[in-house]
Amino acid sequence: AQKITQTQPGMFVQEKEAVTLDCTYDTSDQSYGLFWYKQPSSGEMIFLIYQGSYDEQNATEGRYSLNFQKARKSANLVISASQLGDSAMYFCAMAGNTDKLIFGTGTRLQVFP
Amino acid sequence: KAGVTQTPRYLIKTRGQQVTLSCSPISGHRSVSWYQQTPGQGLQFLFEYFSETQRNKGNFPGRFSGRQFSNSRSEMNVSTLELGDSALYLCASSFSPSGGLAKNIQYFGAGTRLSVL
Repeated sequence: AQKITQTQPGMFVQEKEAVTLDCTYDTSDQSYGLFWYKQPSSGEMIFLIYQGSYDEQNATEGRYSLNFQKARKSANLVISASQLGDSAMYFCAMAGNTDKLIFGTGTRLQVFP
Repeated sequence: KAGVTQTPRYLIKTRGQQVTLSCSPISGHRSVSWYQQTPGQGLQFLFEYFSETQRNKGNFPGRFSGRQFSNSRSEMNVSTLELGDSALYLCASSFSPSGGLAKNIQYFGAGTRLSVL
């Protein structure tokens, strides 16, 4: 069975600082994708970054980067230069052979001035 | 390019009623998935449609059903509503020509917030 674990229910970071949100996963699939989504209080799930299991390089999208360590089955999200607008829930998710997204429980990030 | 559109944004129903939620995917996307989000259970997969066929189904009772039309728009129906069906229902679309969701990014709509009284 596939599983995503996010162990940080909440995180605080000061504006302009970097923050790492943890995500570990469990799967027996050889081919899978890892995703990070941001959910503001409005409810919309916003796609941030994707990492394929066969991608050798860590994914980056602007201020977002994904620290992919396949052997440790971790896919941590790094947000550089945090902004007040980054305050939201962040979800790590995975899709494998079952063709559906499995989500973690999320991390609530609060950015303070 | 327009994003995923879900209507309505908010719904209030009473127990026993039925409800239909609508989702218009991103133009060109053929796969539509539905998810339920509750504080207690988190985000759970309901079902996925591709080219008008249900391709995958989550672990929900038969009261939850869906369909997809030839233009890829999708509807989700919940019959005989229960208090526990109160949730944010999210629709997501992806291009998904091959490789499944492991290689295709899902883009979500703003959701429909359903309250069952």
